[in-house]
Amino acid sequence: RKEVEQDPGPFNVPEGATVAFNCTYSNSASQSFFWYRQDCRKEPKLLMSVYSSGNEDGRFTAQLNRASQYISLLIRDSKLSDSATYLCVVNRGSFKTIFGAGTRLFVKA
Amino acid sequence: NAGVTQTPKFRVLKTGQSMTLLCAQDMNHEYMYWYRQDPGMGLRLIHYSVGEGTTAKGEVPDGYNVSRLKKQNFLLGLESAAPSQTSVYFCASSRRRTGAGELFFGEGSRLTVL
Repeated sequence: RKEVEQDPGPFNVPEGATVAFNCTYSNSASQSFFWYRQDCRKEPKLLMSVYSSGNEDGRFTAQLNRASQYISLLIRDSKLSDSATYLCVVNRGSFKTIFGAGTRLFVKA
Repeated sequence: NAGVTQTPKFRVLKTGQSMTLLCAQDMNHEYMYWYRQDPGMGLRLIHYSVGEGTTAKGEVPDGYNVSRLKKQNFLLGLESAAPSQTSVYFCASSRRRTGAGELFFGEGSRLTVL
């Protein structure tokens, strides 16, 4: 079983839709959490960190549930430019950063 | 602002050949990393460096060597390439250790080993 698991998708949604991704992690010692975005054949880029109290950045909302060991990403009012792969990233101490395989999102006009 | 630059972007090798991937960052970051990304898998850490002159093994170090002679450069070497090393390689750097801050990635180097 992978330490960080994501639904690979793809999620196909129309513009303006709300879409949510979940990510589960197996190691309860995990300390910090992130969402990265990776465009096709490009490098990953930090989308947002995930804080225990939940946090929002414009149309993006991230939540952390330590008891159930999952994090989520909600995208509201989807744009064509949101089409990408979203990587769940979990850190459990020095240099022990685990990347999920990613969830693919396609936003259609 | 270049950020993290990798060369070459693409390379095809025959089994048993050697090569070096070059990574340069202009952000004065202490920490640098080499990852590989394979289909259906998350990025996996090959080697990392916490500063000039230091290197350490990551999750999948076998078959690779690294050097960090200058703070801004981190080199990844394959001494005898194998088909299992066909992958996309990403170099990254960070101001703080992973998990404490953002990782900045290069554009990737696509390596095919025949």
